[in-house]
Amino acid sequence: KAGVTQTPRYLIKTRGQQVTLSCSPISGHRSVSWYQQTPGQGLQFLFEYFSETQRNKGNFPGRFSGRQFSNSRSEMNVSTLELGDSALYLCASTPTGSSYNEQFFGPGTRLTVL
Amino acid sequence: GEDVEQSLFLSVREGDSSVINCTYTDSSSTYLYWYKQEPGAGLQLLTYIFSNMDMKQDQRLTVLLNKKDKHLSLRIADTQTGDSAIYFCAESKRDGSSASKIIFGSGTRLSIRP
Repeated sequence: KAGVTQTPRYLIKTRGQQVTLSCSPISGHRSVSWYQQTPGQGLQFLFEYFSETQRNKGNFPGRFSGRQFSNSRSEMNVSTLELGDSALYLCASTPTGSSYNEQFFGPGTRLTVL
Repeated sequence: GEDVEQSLFLSVREGDSSVINCTYTDSSSTYLYWYKQEPGAGLQLLTYIFSNMDMKQDQRLTVLLNKKDKHLSLRIADTQTGDSAIYFCAESKRDGSSASKIIFGSGTRLSIRP
């Protein structure tokens, strides 16, 4: 079974631009979560989607948004990029009905904002 | 509060045991996890423990949970060079609905010296 895939793997943008990152979960997984990883702040939860609905949200500004499609693929969007948005963005999927909520992570998209 | 805290660095000699410690603040956490992140990769679940357990052993890994002190530790026996990575402690919290989120610590970078 293929793992979680994220595209693109690397991205360079400039301040003020917007960016869309994509995540394809493991086949059959309906829950997708997004995290931002930076050296200073560690791993911070952005949001979780399940069956096309946002089920949980972290403490990020409204510039960060996401969506999930009927095939469980998810995208996250960051508008009006700031230098501080430079980070590794990780996506994770969870098997439906998982009793211990195991998350399977993708390799991440490294975003650099210049 | 939602803080999960762990020390940033640990250096051990090859063949010795490594002990990585973590404290968490939310006593309602249902599961606690240890994830491993190797350079350039996403996170990989190493092991987890249900909150009503106090110990779990899995080959070279031993997890100890002290619920009274909200302290979790991961012991790696016979540490090898391949164990070099960042280790994240995490807790799973449900918010009363079916949604849950994973709160991660800042990660402990384990380095192995010959």
